[in-house]
Amino acid sequence: GAVVSQHPSWVICKSGTSVKIECRSLDFQATTMFWYRQFPKQSLMLMATSNEGSKATYEQGVEKDKFLINHASLTLSTLTVTSAHPEDSSFYICSAREGGRGLGNTIYFGEGSWLTVV
Amino acid sequence: AQSVTQPDIHITVSEGASLELRCNYSYGATPYLFWYVQSPGQGLQLLLKYFSGDTLVQGIKGFEAEFKRSQSSFNLRKPSVHWSDAAEYFCAVGARDSGAGSYQLTFGKGTKLSVIP
Repeated sequence: GAVVSQHPSWVICKSGTSVKIECRSLDFQATTMFWYRQFPKQSLMLMATSNEGSKATYEQGVEKDKFLINHASLTLSTLTVTSAHPEDSSFYICSAREGGRGLGNTIYFGEGSWLTVV
Repeated sequence: AQSVTQPDIHITVSEGASLELRCNYSYGATPYLFWYVQSPGQGLQLLLKYFSGDTLVQGIKGFEAEFKRSQSSFNLRKPSVHWSDAAEYFCAVGARDSGAGSYQLTFGKGTKLSVIP
């Protein structure tokens, strides 16, 4: 099946610095990618939807200036956590929709990235 | 707005026993429905999906799910559970995004499955 890869899998950064997480669709083109945040033992919370070549659409309550999303190509989206604080520590998961924007295309998930801010 | 309810937070079954995980959804139109599995510290793996057609959907790893419109349910089943099935299971509904002509997923809170050897 389709593969979505995230990098890095684990990252530790100092408070106040920025960290970038990459999400790649390895064997398909993804017009749309999604970024989620998952707290321990909780469900996934959609942060934003990114469409290739356009600005991301953020969910209510998500700070767009803090969580910068870039979807520069059909196979790559990046999430940059700027000026990270300990409360940003979480498990971040991306997903990518196979094919175009048509209905019925499957969404595949990456393996997630653990961010710890110290 | 769409929503998904997974009534059971934690289920424990014996290896070899049958399994049913419940999922109820709320959505104004015909939904797209999904079941994902997540192992600890990992991303999500798609087990199966329903878009249209046959309401009984077969997935990977021996799982199946049945869409029942009258009950707004999409329960996941497996006739004989293996120890490796222990994981967190998420039901999701795909709600159409009118702006992009596509859909995005809304997840339930998950059901943790434990398997007794």
